[in-house]
Amino acid sequence: KAGVTQTPRYLIKTRGQQVTLSCSPISGHRSVSWYQQTPGQGLQFLFEYFSETQRNKGNFPGRFSGRQFSNSRSEMNVSTLELGDSALYLCASSGDTSTGELFFGEGSRLTVL
Amino acid sequence: GQQVMQIPQYQHVQEGEDFTTYCNSSTTLSNIQWYKQRPGGHPVFLIQLVKSGEVKKQKRLTFQFGEAKKNSSLHITATQTTDVGTYFCVLRGGYQKVTFGTGTKLQVIP
Repeated sequence: KAGVTQTPRYLIKTRGQQVTLSCSPISGHRSVSWYQQTPGQGLQFLFEYFSETQRNKGNFPGRFSGRQFSNSRSEMNVSTLELGDSALYLCASSGDTSTGELFFGEGSRLTVL
Repeated sequence: GQQVMQIPQYQHVQEGEDFTTYCNSSTTLSNIQWYKQRPGGHPVFLIQLVKSGEVKKQKRLTFQFGEAKKNSSLHITATQTTDVGTYFCVLRGGYQKVTFGTGTKLQVIP
C-alpha cells in the first residue's frame, strides 16, 4: 500500500510569510504526527493528531499550528516565518496512537530567506 | 519533560568493525523504539523494546533494554557501508509526546 505522502517536497519562503504543508497518511492510519528536523536541534516533536483532535503538542510557539481532516489527512501551518524556521518538516502516521511504529514521509524542506 | 541523551554523537568506524550507540533517559521508560535515518532520507523504524532486560536481534543488529528501563543500546557487528546513517532512540508510549534521542551519526570507512 502507498506510504506517507508529504507535499510540497521543497519550498522557499521569505520572512513574514506563512506556509502550509500537507501530509497524507497510510490508508487506515488515524494518527498523524509532525516533526521539525534541524542540524542544531535535531528532531523535535511538533504535534500529534488523532481522529481530527490534537492529542499532544510539543514546545513550539503558537505560530505553528495544525489540523486533521476526516479522511486523516493533516496540514500544518507556520505563520510569520522566521529564518530559524528553515528545516525539514517530517510527518509520520501510525495505526496505533500509543506504542505503534511510526511511518515517516519523505519530508518537506522549507527554506526561509 | 523527559530528556533522552545518546552517545556518542558521531562515530567513524572502519568497515568490519563493531559499533554501539547508547541511549539514556532521565526517567523510567515504558518502551523504546529505534529508528535509522539514511543521509537525505527519513527515519525508518527498526525495533521496539518493551520488557526490562529485553534483548532482540536483527541479523547483525542487537538491541538491549536496560534492567531499570532507563537506558538502551544498539550494537552493530561487523559494520558495512550500508549501515551508514543516523540512529535514533525514540520514546513513545501512551499519551506522551514523542521524544527523539539526540542521535548517533555513523560513518563507515570502506
